[in-house]
Amino acid sequence: DADVTQTPRNRITKTGKRIMLECSQTKGHDRMYWYRQDPGLGLRLIYYSFDVKDINKGEISDGYSVSRQAQAKFSLSLESAIPNQTALYFCATRGKAAGSRPMEEQFFGPGTRLTVL
Amino acid sequence: AQTVTQSQPEMSVQEAETVTLSCTYDTSESNYYLFWYKQPPSRQMILVIRQEAYKQQNATENRFSVNFQKAAKSFSLKISDSQLGDTAMYFCAYLTGTYKYIFGTGTRLKVLA
Repeated sequence: DADVTQTPRNRITKTGKRIMLECSQTKGHDRMYWYRQDPGLGLRLIYYSFDVKDINKGEISDGYSVSRQAQAKFSLSLESAIPNQTALYFCATRGKAAGSRPMEEQFFGPGTRLTVL
Repeated sequence: AQTVTQSQPEMSVQEAETVTLSCTYDTSESNYYLFWYKQPPSRQMILVIRQEAYKQQNATENRFSVNFQKAAKSFSLKISDSQLGDTAMYFCAYLTGTYKYIFGTGTRLKVLA
């Protein structure tokens, strides 16, 4: 089974609809991230969370909200989807190495391709 | 603010040949991590190689190696003996001191048979 899962894998929706993308992980990591990928722009950070009570905006958080329901779950919501939110969305996790120092490597989910018509 | 630049949007290489992908970055931090990620058509992000800035020695993972030039803020990826399975988008990334990642815009590599 995959360590980081995302649902759905693909979604087509209409302008104005509310959409939730879900991410679950079995790695026991405390840090979770949401990115969007657009052609020619690479991956850009939407939100990140260092634990259940610590949620932070990334560089492109406008139009998005998140919920960290548990250490293992981090959901991204589009309250009122618009066409320029059409993109590939990735969830990623990152944990602690020995002691309290975080590991440097991120582990990515398989991505959700979202199309807003 | 830190930035990561990949100036080659697309590249191609013949199978079994060597190719180098470029990445430059800008930072005022003294210690940091740099990464190369591979994204094949399956769209999964796969870590290829990482480099700690305070380590002088260039990282190597099998056919993948980096040329890390800290003073020049350059972090290129060399793929030796290219294989068809290396066809993918490659992203350079920087880990900041506040534990956020900054990604470049990617280089699409095509390995030709």
